[in-house]
Amino acid sequence: AQKVTQAQTEISVVEKEDVTLDCVYETRDTTYYLFWYKQPPSGELVFLIRRNSFDEQNEISGRYSWNFQKSTSSFNFTITASQVVDSAVYFCALRRHGGYNKLIFGAGTRLAVHP
Amino acid sequence: DARVTQTPRDKVTEMGQEVTMRCQPILGHNTVFWYRQTMMQGLELLAYFRNRAPLDDSGMPKDRFSAEMPDATLATLKIQPSEPRDSAVYFCASATGPLTDTQYFGPGTRLTVL
Repeated sequence: AQKVTQAQTEISVVEKEDVTLDCVYETRDTTYYLFWYKQPPSGELVFLIRRNSFDEQNEISGRYSWNFQKSTSSFNFTITASQVVDSAVYFCALRRHGGYNKLIFGAGTRLAVHP
Repeated sequence: DARVTQTPRDKVTEMGQEVTMRCQPILGHNTVFWYRQTMMQGLELLAYFRNRAPLDDSGMPKDRFSAEMPDATLATLKIQPSEPRDSAVYFCASATGPLTDTQYFGPGTRLTVL
């Protein structure tokens, strides 16, 4: 069975703090894909990153970075020097390799960044 | 900047009424998904189309929900009759296909059934 767990329901930080959002996944597949999406207060789901299971290289994009560790089945997301505009719900998702593209979403982590 | 569009953005209706939600996938994307988001269930897949053909609608209550793709630029999700428990945000997403599988989501339709 496939499962994504985001144990942090809500996180509250003050602007400029670094914050890490945890994501732990379960799958028996050897090839799979991991995603992060952002849902700001306006409601839309914004794609942030996709990672293939065979590529464990960490990714950095501006203030965002992702740490993928297959050994611990984790795909954590860190925001450096957080800003108020980072306030949103963040979803981690898992997809199996193959023709059926169903995304398995975690429950989401609500991040509140206060000035 | 190509985006998935959805209409209406908000819909308030009374129980028993028919509701139709529309989605225009990103041009060139041949895979379309319908998701529903509620506080209790989170994000759940309702239906999935590839090249306009429904491939999986197992997540959808068949007695009242129907999903179609009349053409490559339009996907519809219909609820008839609607019930209060259908109140949710309905998202459409599109992707280019099975290999490049990143799903891009529309802004959602917030449905309230009174």
